[in-house]
Amino acid sequence: KQEVTQIPAALSVPEGENLVLNCSFTDSAIYNLQWFRQDPGKGLTSLLLIQSSQREQTSGRLNASLDKSSGRSTLYIAASQPGDSATYLCASLKMYSGGGADGLTFGKGTHLIIQP
Amino acid sequence: DGGITQSPKYLFRKEGQNVTLSCEQNLNHDAMYWYRQDPGQGLRLIYYSQIVNDFQKGDIAEGYSVSREKKESFPLTVTSAQKNPTAFYLCASSIGDNTDTQYFGPGTRLTVL
Repeated sequence: KQEVTQIPAALSVPEGENLVLNCSFTDSAIYNLQWFRQDPGKGLTSLLLIQSSQREQTSGRLNASLDKSSGRSTLYIAASQPGDSATYLCASLKMYSGGGADGLTFGKGTHLIIQP
Repeated sequence: DGGITQSPKYLFRKEGQNVTLSCEQNLNHDAMYWYRQDPGQGLRLIYYSQIVNDFQKGDIAEGYSVSREKKESFPLTVTSAQKNPTAFYLCASSIGDNTDTQYFGPGTRLTVL
């Protein structure tokens, strides 16, 4: 069974710093790896999706990398801002022999606070 | 506006009662999902549906039931058999070809009194 772990569980940094969030997964047979943002009491917003054949994806100040062989992904946030404060969730979509769309396996998230 | 709607936002239920959570999407997505989130935890998959009139159990399906009679709708019933139903419930949808992300609704917070 796929397990996804996120480190650290919580992180607080001053505004303007660059930071890295880590995600590891136990089974490398995945279709893709996704990063989401969740604000308190809200649903999830998709940030980046990395297909299993890709190494990284970028969107604005965000860059996500994927290393399937080591079972790791990182989310890099450049020049952090107070508006980046949220919980960041990593999720993998595992391959199944039957194909089709299956549910994601999520980590517990990293709670990020950016201090003004 | 295209998107996913969930209703109600807050729901209170007495112990022993069944309750149904609504999820509707107008994104023309084939696949729909239900997840449960507990405090400090990631999301866990309850049920998912790849196509109308078909659905599969996720990791924690016990005590829940679903139906998929229409492409746009995927209601979740929390039955009295669910031992610890108080949680935040999130519905999602996707194109369903494993290359696209899942789009999430705003969630329903269920509290059992």
